[in-house]
Amino acid sequence: DSGVTQTPKHLITATGQRVTLRCSPRSGDLSVYWYQQSLDQGLQFLIQYYNGEERAKGNILERFSAQQFPDLHSELNLSSLELGDSALYFCASSVGDNNYGYTFGSGTRLTVV
Amino acid sequence: GIQVEQSPPDLILQEGANSTLRCNFSDSVNNLQWFHQNPWGQLINLFYIPSGTKQNGRLSATTVATERYSLLYISSSQTTDSGVYFCAAYAGNNRKLIWGLGTSLAVNP
Repeated sequence: DSGVTQTPKHLITATGQRVTLRCSPRSGDLSVYWYQQSLDQGLQFLIQYYNGEERAKGNILERFSAQQFPDLHSELNLSSLELGDSALYFCASSVGDNNYGYTFGSGTRLTVV
Repeated sequence: GIQVEQSPPDLILQEGANSTLRCNFSDSVNNLQWFHQNPWGQLINLFYIPSGTKQNGRLSATTVATERYSLLYISSSQTTDSGVYFCAAYAGNNRKLIWGLGTSLAVNP
């Protein structure tokens, strides 16, 4: 157990639907990072939050949004889902906002049918 | 933005062999990291190494920032080393970590 908890582990949903992925960072970590891993594009950085504030934004689609709550857990919301959104979504956390020292969660596998 | 390229894309070893994985990047970096993803999908941070050399057990990494490459050495490989090794980097004030496509390593008993 890495200390970073992601739920759910698996999610199957239909096109056009909306889902929420949840991440609880390791105790003491203030940064949360979201990544998408697909077969054809490798790991893509989506967004980073540090202590509740957005710190950096990657190639996150407008249909996707995220936030970090006062208790530091984070949620990634994916809406108007398309087949191409099927991927592994990873959350990572770190103590600071310097983008290293990551601890990854085990990921959420999203399948859009 | 910065480009990160890894080689070789695939590698097959017999247990006990040594190997070197390479990561080339297109610009000067101030953040270079190596990660391992095991066959079950779990990602682990191996090294943060924007320059110099670090060692952790049978693994070591060297980054030559002036020549824009980093190397990951695996000595006396074990079956548990199997998986995909990624390098990732960013440059300047761009805080978006860019990942290579990885080297897929299979260590056979």
